[in-house]
Amino acid sequence: GNSVTQMEGPVTLSEEAFLTINCTYTATGYPSLFWYVQYPGEGLQLLLKATKADDKGSNKGFEATYRKETTSFHLEKGSVQVSDSAVYFCALSDNQGGKLIFGQGTELSVKP
Amino acid sequence: EAGVAQSPRYKIIEKRQSVAFWCNPISGHATLYWYQQILGQGPKLLIQFQNNGVVDDSQLPKDRFSAERLKGVDSTLKIQPAKLEDSAVYLCASSLDRQGNNEKLFFGSGTQLSVL
Repeated sequence: GNSVTQMEGPVTLSEEAFLTINCTYTATGYPSLFWYVQYPGEGLQLLLKATKADDKGSNKGFEATYRKETTSFHLEKGSVQVSDSAVYFCALSDNQGGKLIFGQGTELSVKP
Repeated sequence: EAGVAQSPRYKIIEKRQSVAFWCNPISGHATLYWYQQILGQGPKLLIQFQNNGVVDDSQLPKDRFSAERLKGVDSTLKIQPAKLEDSAVYLCASSLDRQGNNEKLFFGSGTQLSVL
């Protein structure tokens, strides 16, 4: 079945460091890929998405490229801020009904 | 615009008791989802509604969990009787697209359930 695997956390970085959170997926067909973020005390919110191979999703300085050949959708940011501290979830949709399948989440902590 | 509303925010019960969670999606959103998020794991879909009809309930433990969405708006998720392993955050989400494909999901803040 479809599944998503993320790198384990927590990830601790200093402010202005470069961020990569790895995400790989297993799916039949051509899923859409998403990154959701959960800030402390808040609900999940969509960060970015890509719907086909080689698409790049971007938002708030974060980027992720849909790589079909490596079945990956790694999240990157060139310079993190303390306010980026949150849990990040990679997810896929099999485009049949819209339900999301999530990875286990990666906690990011950015220190000043 | 108002977001997805859920209540209660926290609930503590003893095992074998029953509990109910309520969700009010964003106005006009046809699709409603209930997810279960166990500590340290990603959310897992329990049930998906399209208006007031069930689209997917394949991962809903139907011997103890039930859900309804009367009139295609609000929804209630019930657990009866609860088990220790039901301790989790229960998330409600909604989306506008009636086909539910590739649409942005809006999540509520969730109900944190502790079963003692």
